[in-house]
Formats: sequence, structure tokens, C-alpha cells
Amino acid sequence: ETGVTQTPRHLVMGMTNKKSLKCEQHLGHNAMYWYKQSAKKPLELMFVYNFKEQTENNSVPSRFSPECPNSSHLFLHLHTLQPEDSALYLCASSPSDSPGNEKLFFGSGTQLSVL
Amino acid sequence: DQQVKQNSPSLSVQEGRISILNCDYTNSMFDYFLWYKKYPAEGPTFLISISSIKDKNEDGRFTVFLNKSAKHLSLHIVPSQPGDSAVYFCAASGVRPGNQFYFGTGTSLTVIP
Repeated sequence: ETGVTQTPRHLVMGMTNKKSLKCEQHLGHNAMYWYKQSAKKPLELMFVYNFKEQTENNSVPSRFSPECPNSSHLFLHLHTLQPEDSALYLCASSPSDSPGNEKLFFGSGTQLSVL
Repeated sequence: DQQVKQNSPSLSVQEGRISILNCDYTNSMFDYFLWYKKYPAEGPTFLISISSIKDKNEDGRFTVFLNKSAKHLSLHIVPSQPGDSAVYFCAASGVRPGNQFYFGTGTSLTVIP
């Protein structure tokens, strides 16, 4: 069983749909993250949760809504997305949200296409 | 404004030769740097890191060099192997509060057998 698991791996949705991305980590970490990777752009941090509390929201549009019910699970709820939101969405975890000399562990990502 | 830059989108190297991947950063507050490797359809995996108190860190075939005065780091892979073909991301952290990781755009390495 891998450390960070993301589902689904691929998602195609219309602009009026509502869908959710799921992330689960089996590493006992306290912090979880959502990153967005668009073509030819750096990974962009979207949200950080530490001990289930949101500690970072990087000016993400409200059509992206995160949820962290416990330290092992993280969701990203999507509604009324735009075609430019098509990207690879990566979940990551780390022992805490002040990584310092720690590192992020990534899931395999969800490749999202918005039509 | 991009704080971590990888100016070479791609690099091709012969098997057995050295691969050198470069990364520049702009924020002098960064004090911890990492390299991640990403295969297609997989998430990035941690490769090697270096703290700003060092100028070199080595792990097997992988060595990271840090030049703080030039705000530059590089990853050396010796000898390069076909399995090293992947996208390599440079990342930096240390800016408080929040202590985010800032990533570059990646360099796609192809090792030719």
C-alpha cells in the first residue's frame, strides 16, 4: 500500500458538474496539502491542513473547496470549474506544516480535464 | 513572481555520462533545498536535499551542490542510467510564516542508452 493514495486517477467533468477528489495518507503525518500542476508551470500550493485545521489558502478561487475530516483524509470538492482549471492535482503529506528539514510525500495525482 | 527557476526544460545525456541539472532561486531566506523526481503518471518522489549550512550533499550516484552567493544549486547524476529518465523538480523552503515549498517548473532528463 503506497503512502499517499489519490482517487480518481483521471477525471473529466463539465463546467456545471460537481465532483470531489480524495486523498488518503498512511504515513501517520499531521499535515496534508493540495498542489496544482499546470503545463510548463511550477507546482502551485493551494491548501495546507495541519492537524485537520486549514493553515494556508493560497488565494484559491471558491470553486475549489477543501475538506479535511481527519489527519489521514483530505478532499477537494470541485464545482462550476473553468477549462483553465484542467491540470494535475497532487496531494501531499508531511510530518507537520512547518517542514524545515522535512519533506513532502506526494500521491500519484488526479489528472483533471474540464470541458 | 517565480522564486525558483529551472531554465532548462529538457536535457539529453548518454548513458554512463554525467547529468547536471541546474536550479536558481531569488529569495535569500530559503534555507532548505530539495530535488524531486517524477515519472509519467506518478507523483513526485523525494530524491535528495541540502541544508543551507552545507554546500554539498551526496547520496550514491546523486550529488547536490549549493552556491549560496550565486543562489544556485545543481544536481549531478553520475553515472547516468536510462532509468534516470524523468522530470526533475527543484524545490526550496524556509520563508516564514507558513514555510511553503516553492517549486521550479522541472527539467525533463532523457538518458540515451
